[in-house]
Amino acid sequence: TQLLEQSPQFLSIQEGENLTVYCNSSSVFSSLQWYRQEPGEGPVLLVTVVTGGEVKKLKRLTFQFGDARKDSSLHITAAQPGDTGLYLCAGVGGSGNTGKLIFGQGTTLQVKP
Amino acid sequence: DAGVIQSPRHEVTEMGQEVTLRCKPISGHNSLFWYRQTMMRGLELLIYFNNNVPIDDSGMPEDRFSAKMPNASFSTLKIQPSEPRDSAVYFCASSLQGLAGDEQFFGPGTRLTVL
Repeated sequence: TQLLEQSPQFLSIQEGENLTVYCNSSSVFSSLQWYRQEPGEGPVLLVTVVTGGEVKKLKRLTFQFGDARKDSSLHITAAQPGDTGLYLCAGVGGSGNTGKLIFGQGTTLQVKP
Repeated sequence: DAGVIQSPRHEVTEMGQEVTLRCKPISGHNSLFWYRQTMMRGLELLIYFNNNVPIDDSGMPEDRFSAKMPNASFSTLKIQPSEPRDSAVYFCASSLQGLAGDEQFFGPGTRLTVL
């Protein structure tokens, strides 16, 4: 069974601080996605990483896929209150070229002004 | 363009009652996914369809749960009979082709409370 573990589960920081969220697995994934979910809404895709060692930047967010494609990290620089939400990593699981996703438990981020 | 539409947004029912959740995927999307989200278990895939055909239903908890997709623009998830442990937020998502790496577009969810 493929599992993704995220850490930390909860994070409360002050505006302007930096933070890193980790997503780890013992399984290899063909690609990994990061989603952000706000209260009362469904998750929204932030990024997809495909190649081992890949780094993608989205404004103040930096995503990295591990060399072995078993782990990923999300780093936020100078966090803002608008970054508050639930961050979910999702690995592309199953056999063959299917869109089946396996989600981590999520990291709840609160950024205080 | 409208996103994924789910109804109802909130459902409160009593144990033993039948519950039907509805989903309209984004037009042109060929894959549809049903998820359940709880604090304890996070976001779990229940079942997904490709071109209206169920591909993987290994996440469906038990026989009380059933899902149908009679056409490309409509799907239902039914729970009969419902139990308090079914209380959760149920999401429907769709993607263009259901291929690895495709973006999944989520609906706003249905919050189900079974008393």
